[in-house]
Amino acid sequence: NAGVTQTPKFRVLKTGQSMTLLCAQDMNHEYMYWYRQDPGMGLRLIHYSVGEGTTAKGEVPDGYNVSRLKKQNFLLGLESAAPSQTSVYFCASSTSGVFNYGYTFGSGTRLTVV
Amino acid sequence: DAKTTQPPSMDCAEGRAANLPCNHSTISGNEYVYWYRQIHSQGPQYIIHGLKNNETNEMASLIITEDRKSSTLILPHATLRDTAVYYCIVRSALNYGGSQGNLIFGKGTKLSVKP
Repeated sequence: NAGVTQTPKFRVLKTGQSMTLLCAQDMNHEYMYWYRQDPGMGLRLIHYSVGEGTTAKGEVPDGYNVSRLKKQNFLLGLESAAPSQTSVYFCASSTSGVFNYGYTFGSGTRLTVV
Repeated sequence: DAKTTQPPSMDCAEGRAANLPCNHSTISGNEYVYWYRQIHSQGPQYIIHGLKNNETNEMASLIITEDRKSSTLILPHATLRDTAVYYCIVRSALNYGGSQGNLIFGKGTKLSVKP
């Protein structure tokens, strides 16, 4: 039972390059989320999805795009990376409906943009 | 979501109870109090949540005041492995897909358990 798996775990990008972070969950959860965490800060929500084929903006969506083509996968894309996007990215998933008890988080992707 | 206020840091002796406070004076009637923790460099981990009654599970106890404006997370016998940042979050439990169900993290309390 893997839970939430993020790939890659580490990545270094040059300014202007693009990349996609993959999040996969095997718990049949409806909802999925992407957060970023900067040093000394709490997590900030980038985008989220409440089901296959649907996405919505969170607190800090600029510079990122997402897709949820399959229920188990949630992709986070950076079209033109900037140093300000250096951060640790966490994916999470949860059940839907009333009384959503808790999120399951992945172990994170550490991204450095130089 | 209601904002929460937590002390930035706390120390606790190993084996003693750790009591982590949280203020949420603007909490509304349908909002729950959730606690998560983040051990260094790992993803956050769900601990416990509650509405108005005190709750207990294998990890911790949650005490919510009668007016629901504050709460305390209790780790009854803290160990060195409990050293982490603890987040108190208030959110609606009615997660129908709108933003009101999203978890919004603050900076949390950094708990250091010392031998």
